[in-house]
Formats: sequence, structure tokens, C-alpha cells
Amino acid sequence: ETGVTQTPRHLVMGMTNKKSLKCEQHLGHNAMYWYKQSAKKPLELMFVYNFKEQTENNSVPSRFSPECPNSSHLFLHLHTLQPEDSALYLCASSQVAGGYEQYFGPGTRLTVT
Amino acid sequence: SQQGEEDPQALSIQEGENATMNCSYKTSINNLQWYRQNSGRGLVHLILIRSNEREKHSGRLRVTLDTSKKSSSLLITASRAADTASYFCATDGGAGSYQLTFGKGTKLSVIP
Repeated sequence: ETGVTQTPRHLVMGMTNKKSLKCEQHLGHNAMYWYKQSAKKPLELMFVYNFKEQTENNSVPSRFSPECPNSSHLFLHLHTLQPEDSALYLCASSQVAGGYEQYFGPGTRLTVT
Repeated sequence: SQQGEEDPQALSIQEGENATMNCSYKTSINNLQWYRQNSGRGLVHLILIRSNEREKHSGRLRVTLDTSKKSSSLLITASRAADTASYFCATDGGAGSYQLTFGKGTKLSVIP
């Protein structure tokens, strides 16, 4: 479980706040992913980075802004979120982007008030 | 669009029994994967089966794949209370796809 770390583990923020989620992988992988997991919905892929380049943006609202400064770090910047954005946000990594096995972090439980 | 769908949505069994979960998908794939998630935590990769494979084993896990029916099954033998978790199948989108698509999962409860 220490291969992919996420901070913070829990976050409560108001709708006018700005916060960032951080993900770090220690596996030497070249692809990183952000997923959103809401109750009673399938895991939703938000962003994919392959060799630091964004390859997928699945129609995610602009209030979510990803940043990938290098292959080991991934951020998700949050601003002016809505209550329906409350969810578990999961980061994952894989050798390269595609159908390879993914290694997940423990997630950040986000509550928007 | 949702690719994998697991069935049943929830399953409750006694410790020692076998648990079978099914997954159906819609488009062609290179491989299919199964993951486990304990409540409120990250997913853990269990097994990957390629489109040219029909069956794969890993410890107490057995996965089958039928590409003609676009379906897969995960069998957990001699279940333990520690197997209580949600189980997800994930499919790639075939050649050139950068992502996996996950189903809604099967919630397995193993009663001691």
C-alpha cells in the first residue's frame, strides 16, 4: 500500500475554498490517473497522464485542475466546488497508460460543505 | 459509456463457501482485470486475463474469460471473512486505449 501515497486522507472544504490533493508514486511508473468514486456510481476516470503529458480528460469541469510536474507526482487543484463533488478521490499509477494493471493510493475523502 | 457490469450487485455467503461474481462488457478488449476494494480504501489489483486466455488461477482465485459472450467470472474458493470487500472488473478499450473502465462492483460479505 505504500507504493502510491495520497494526502490529505480527509478534506472538508467550503464551496469558496481552494485546496489541492497530492499523489506520489514510488514504483517508477510513467502513467498516473485521477478517479472519482461516488456512492452508487461506477469509478469515474477523470484524468490520465502518460510520461507527464495529459492524454485523457473525461469532460471534467474546469473547477478541477490537474498538474503533473513529473512522472512521480500528480496534483488535483480544487476551487469553487459544489456539494455534489463530495466523493472519494483516488489516484493510481501504472507502467504506462493503457490496459496495464494499476496501483491505487488509499484515496482522499472529500466533503464539500 | 460503461464497459463492465458486475453481477450480482451484492452477495452474502458463509465462511468456507465459494463465491462467484460475473462481469459482462460491450466492446472488444485486450485484457480484463479484477480488483478488490475494502470499504473506503483504494483498489487492489487481483488478476489480469488477456483476451487470448480462457482461464487463469492465482491462489484461491480463478478467473474465466469468454470473449464470444463478452463475459468473465471471478471465483473465490473457500472464502474467508477477510475476503469481505467490493470486487470490480475493469476492461481496456482495445488497441490504442489509454484507460480502464470499471463496473459498479459486487459487494461480497463473508459471514464468519
